[in-house]
Amino acid sequence: NAGVTQTPKFQVLKTGQSMTLQCAQDMNHEYMSWYRQDPGMGLRLIHYSVGAGITDQGEVPNGYNVSRSTTEDFPLRLLSAAPSQTSVYFCASSRSGDRGYTFGSGTRLTVV
Amino acid sequence: AQTVTQSQPEMSVQEAETVTLSCTYDTSESDYYLFWYKQPPSRQMILVIRQEAYKQQNATENRFSVNFQKAAKSFSLKISDSQLGDAAMYFCAYRTINAGGTSYGKLTFGQGTILTVHP
Repeated sequence: NAGVTQTPKFQVLKTGQSMTLQCAQDMNHEYMSWYRQDPGMGLRLIHYSVGAGITDQGEVPNGYNVSRSTTEDFPLRLLSAAPSQTSVYFCASSRSGDRGYTFGSGTRLTVV
Repeated sequence: AQTVTQSQPEMSVQEAETVTLSCTYDTSESDYYLFWYKQPPSRQMILVIRQEAYKQQNATENRFSVNFQKAAKSFSLKISDSQLGDAAMYFCAYRTINAGGTSYGKLTFGQGTILTVHP
């Protein structure tokens, strides 16, 4: 099992560019989430999904889009990158409500 | 909406001694799960321990144990016999389990506590 795979691990974008952060899991988990981690603010939920075709907004969804066409994949799209989106992004997945989430290794994104 | 608060931005402990990290949360739900995650400098998020709200018995995993006070909405983590490898950022997290709606399974984190272990 690869667990939760995030790509890329590092990325530098220019303001206004768009990109997609990839997330894939091979554990057949229903639940998947995207978080951003900023100093002093913990991990904040961007978007999450409870199954293929079902997504919802988290705490900080503005500037990000998601879709979940398969159980395995949950990509995060930045529509028009801004310096405020400089952060470390984590994807996570879980099988059921009584389990902790399994996290990917993170993507460090810098927007200049 | 649920909130999780970790009031200690930084803590330190001597190797082999015991340290307690604090966490409080706010919820109107009666059933939920609580977790502690560890994030070492490698950035990887590692699940340390979990607690079911309907269980009165405090969870224990080797040197890690929790003090769960449901009425006070408090969930502290005790690390015994601290080791250098315990140095990390620790996050407290809350997971809703109420069925219905897309909020089911949503995980909310506190701000984190940086733990330093002195040799």
